[in-house]
Amino acid sequence: EPEVTQTPSHQVTQMGQEVILRCVPISNHLYFYWYRQILGQKVEFLVSFYNNEISEKSEIFDDQFSVERPDGSNFTLKIRSTKLEDSAMYFCASSGEGVGSTEAFFGQGTRLTVV
Amino acid sequence: GQQVMQIPQYQHVQEGEDFTTYCNSSTTLSNIQWYKQRPGGHPVFLIQLVKSGEVKKQKRLTFQFGEAKKNSSLHITATQTTDVGTYFCNLYLYSSASKIIFGSGTRLSIRP
Repeated sequence: EPEVTQTPSHQVTQMGQEVILRCVPISNHLYFYWYRQILGQKVEFLVSFYNNEISEKSEIFDDQFSVERPDGSNFTLKIRSTKLEDSAMYFCASSGEGVGSTEAFFGQGTRLTVV
Repeated sequence: GQQVMQIPQYQHVQEGEDFTTYCNSSTTLSNIQWYKQRPGGHPVFLIQLVKSGEVKKQKRLTFQFGEAKKNSSLHITATQTTDVGTYFCNLYLYSSASKIIFGSGTRLSIRP
């Protein structure tokens, strides 16, 4: 069964450092997303990406964040200068292999710890 | 923007008891999606409801969408330990943009 894969599973970084979280969405999907979940809290939308550009972003997704689809398979989230409050589980998801297909498939997540 | 409120926040039941979580909105919703997240896991899609008054079943799980499309519920009959997790009702927005807005979730725990 096709799945969304994320690497690394766990990333520890020092405050102020840049991190890149990587995702390989399901190959024939059209929409890509990043979400984050702070421990014990709900899942929060960060950004959606369609047709090689950001289609929507939340207030959380400020200038410190960027996304890229550098090739036909990878989808990355970059945090330029990490803060302690960026510590969370980051989920990548993809959806939309056809008309009416709205089920989103989530990756296993990357746990980011900023120290 | 559109938001959904979910209750209860937590539910602790004895194995075999039933469980229900409710989702409410002040505005008419185009659809409701339900996801489940096991402890330490990632959200997994369960179902999408689109039509007014729609009822769908998946084994012991029954999903309903209200007639006014402002509320939804998930009912689990005779809970089992495998039902443990957080259940989210989510709103899928697909106009010019596409995103899933997660509800706050109901965390279900079960006494064996």
